[in-house]
Amino acid sequence: QKEVEQNSGPLSVPEGAIASLNCTYSDRGSQSFFWYRQYSGKSPELIMSIYSNGDKEDGRFTAQLNKASQYVSLLIRDSQPSDSATYLCAVRLSDAGKSTFGDGTTLTVKP
Amino acid sequence: GAVVSQHPSWVICKSGTSVKIECRSLDFQATTMFWYRQFPKQSLMLMATSNEGSKATYEQGVEKDKFLINHASLTLSTLTVTSAHPEDSSFYICSASSAGPSYNEQFFGPGTRLTVL
Repeated sequence: QKEVEQNSGPLSVPEGAIASLNCTYSDRGSQSFFWYRQYSGKSPELIMSIYSNGDKEDGRFTAQLNKASQYVSLLIRDSQPSDSATYLCAVRLSDAGKSTFGDGTTLTVKP
Repeated sequence: GAVVSQHPSWVICKSGTSVKIECRSLDFQATTMFWYRQFPKQSLMLMATSNEGSKATYEQGVEKDKFLINHASLTLSTLTVTSAHPEDSSFYICSASSAGPSYNEQFFGPGTRLTVL
């Protein structure tokens, strides 16, 4: 079992729809959770971080964390073609140390 | 947000030569830096983690004598690919985290595309 698992996709949604990206992790001691966006040929860009159970909203993005279920998700409302990218889920065990990344979910938003 | 730069953004070299890539945190002190490699259409692969002033910790399967990492200051880490070969051609990305308010977050540099002929 991978430490961080994401739906491989690709995920395709029409413009204006809600895109839902999911991630599960195996280590119950994980404390920090991140979503990165990576455009083709570019490096990852941090878009959301979440540390406690519940929802965290930032503009069109909402991260949801459920530690009991070891599940973290990212919702993108009013999806735009510019949101088309690979989304990486990352989980960090402790305050100091590396994050473990999932393989990413590729999202395509069709005009 | 925190800014991380890399230099060069791309490099082409001959087989057998060495290439040095620099990673700098521009507006924060990076207590920890990470080096990743990514092949086309594949996921990020962590190569090593380095803390300022300490030896880097390499991931399993990464040759530490081939990929030399130096983290001499809180704002600079370097990766040297020694005796590069065509199979080392890849996208190398550094990231950095700090001990400050955003200490949990990793910020990525723009990456360096290495092509070995």
